[in-house]
Amino acid sequence: QQPVQSPQAVILREGEDAVINCSSSKALYSVHWYRQKHGEAPVFLMILLKGGEQKGHEKISASFNEKKQQSSLYLTASQLSYSGTYFCGTESIMNRDDKIIFGKGTRLHILP
Amino acid sequence: ETGVTQSPTHLIKTRGQQVTLRCSSQSGHNTVSWYQQALGQGPQFIFQYYREEENGRGNFPPRFSGLQFPNYSSELNVNALELDDSALYLCASSFGGRALGDNEQFFGPGTRLTVL
Repeated sequence: QQPVQSPQAVILREGEDAVINCSSSKALYSVHWYRQKHGEAPVFLMILLKGGEQKGHEKISASFNEKKQQSSLYLTASQLSYSGTYFCGTESIMNRDDKIIFGKGTRLHILP
Repeated sequence: ETGVTQSPTHLIKTRGQQVTLRCSSQSGHNTVSWYQQALGQGPQFIFQYYREEENGRGNFPPRFSGLQFPNYSSELNVNALELDDSALYLCASSFGGRALGDNEQFFGPGTRLTVL
């Protein structure tokens, strides 16, 4: 089952913070986050595994709430280069053969 | 280190025709996954190949088939094309096969298929 992302779209000014949420109805083994710019391939951001810690690098971090089957991506002091569509991909515990199921994406637009 | 490459970049076909898309995986990777991405949607998993064998399949009909070669490059074949097959087709390479959840995928630039 496809994870649900929220919000669908967000517009920010450079320097503002953003949170993108991803929730699943299934017990999850892992959550993957990718960013895709228009006309380009998705680029890997990070993986969060069941039982793992919150991850992050520079101003982008993410958390994984196993009890709620939710993950959140945090973008701090956003930069123009953060614009794009963010996808979460989930892998369920019960059926690893489902591989990675992606949400519909959250479009982020950063204004100067 | 060579990244993931796909060919062709763009393709226009008519309904009923057949198409073959190609993907070269990143050096050192033994797993290739194929995705279909419709406009404004997230990538949808088609199937995965690990060491030349199909290793998981999404909800796509049998007219979507694939191959993986000894050098781990891969092909996606689609028979009897339908209008709804128009999409961006992405391949992603990784290392690890079934343990995909632990491994990042590197996506290629995609092939834009238009079916008229």
